[in-house]
This record gives sequence, C-alpha cells and structure tokens, in this order.
Amino acid sequence: KQEVTQIPAALSVPEGENLVLNCSFTDSAIYNLQWFRQDPGKGLTSLLLIQSSQREQTSGRLNASLDKSSGRSTLYIAASQPGDSATYLCAVNTGNQFYFGTGTSLTVIP
Amino acid sequence: EAGVAQSPRYKIIEKRQSVAFWCNPISGHATLYWYQQILGQGPKLLIQFQNNGVVDDSQLPKDRFSAERLKGVDSTLKIQPAKLEDSAVYLCASSLVRSETQYFGPGTRLLVL
Repeated sequence: KQEVTQIPAALSVPEGENLVLNCSFTDSAIYNLQWFRQDPGKGLTSLLLIQSSQREQTSGRLNASLDKSSGRSTLYIAASQPGDSATYLCAVNTGNQFYFGTGTSLTVIP
Repeated sequence: EAGVAQSPRYKIIEKRQSVAFWCNPISGHATLYWYQQILGQGPKLLIQFQNNGVVDDSQLPKDRFSAERLKGVDSTLKIQPAKLEDSAVYLCASSLVRSETQYFGPGTRLLVL
C-alpha cells in the first residue's frame, strides 16, 4: 500500500522568505501527484498537478518538482506572503486510488 | 463557473443514528470522489464514481457506509448506523476526467456523540 509522508509537519517563516515543502512516497508506480492547500474549515484548493512523465510544474510563485525514482516531490514557494499561510497537502494518484499526506502547516509571519 | 456544492455544512448526531450527505459536482465533471478527513490527518478516499458507475470503493466501510450517484450528476453518501469514530469532515470532489485535477467542495463536518 502506498504511504505518503510530509515533512515538516509545521513550518513558520518570516514574510519574503523562499521555502521548500517536502513530500515522499513509498511506491514509485504513480500516475500523477498533486499539491493542494487547505485553509482552516475549508475544502482543498488544487495548486499544481505533475504527471508521472514530468519533472516539474510552475504556477506563479509556486514550483513543484517530481523525482519518481526516489519517491519525492517538493513544493517551492518563492517570496512567501502572509496569505500563503495554510496547510499544504500532497496527493499521490496510483490510477484508481489517491493517497494523501498529513500535510505541512505553514505560517508566514508579517 | 459554480464550484462543488455540499450540504449540510455541519451535522451533529448521536451514535447509532443515520446521516446522509449530498454533493453536486461541477457541471460536466464525469468523475466524483468522496473523502473522509479525520482531524489532523490527510483525506482518505472512500469511493470514486465515473458517471454513475463505481470505479473504486475499496476503502469504503460497506457494513455501514453507502453511496450512490444515480443519474451521473449529484451524489449522496450515507452512514447507518454511525459510530463515534465516524466524526470527521466529509469532502466531495469532482474532476472533468479521471485522474486529472480535482476540485473540492467545502465539506460536511460530522460530529457523532
């Protein structure tokens, strides 16, 4: 069974800093990987989706990379802002199933 | 474009009672997902529909949970009877096609006393 781990569980940074969130998975046989953000009391918002054949995806200040062979993905956030404060979740798609990590809770301090 | 709608937003019931949640996906989205998110954990996929057919329900506790999507549009998830450990947020998501970007609703927060 696929297991997805996110480290760190919580992260606090000053505004303007660049940061990296990590996601690791145990089985490299994946279809794609998706990064989400979740604000308190709300549903998930999709940020980036990387297909298994891709190495990275970019959207604005966000860049996600995928190294399938080592079972790792990173989400890079440039020039962090207080509005980026949320929980960030990665989800691995194996074809029929989706496996989520427990998330990284990010706080950006003004 | 309207997002994924869910109701109710909150529900409090006593154990052994039954409860139902409703989801209306984004128009035209063929795939619909139901997730359970327990506090402090990531969402767990319970069931996935493609139109009105079940793609995967391997993690659905079928002795108490049931779900349907009769006309390939909206869906209901039912718990009968509820247990204390069913307290969680139930999230519905949809995607245009399978395995592509999922769009989530706001969720239904269930508390079982």
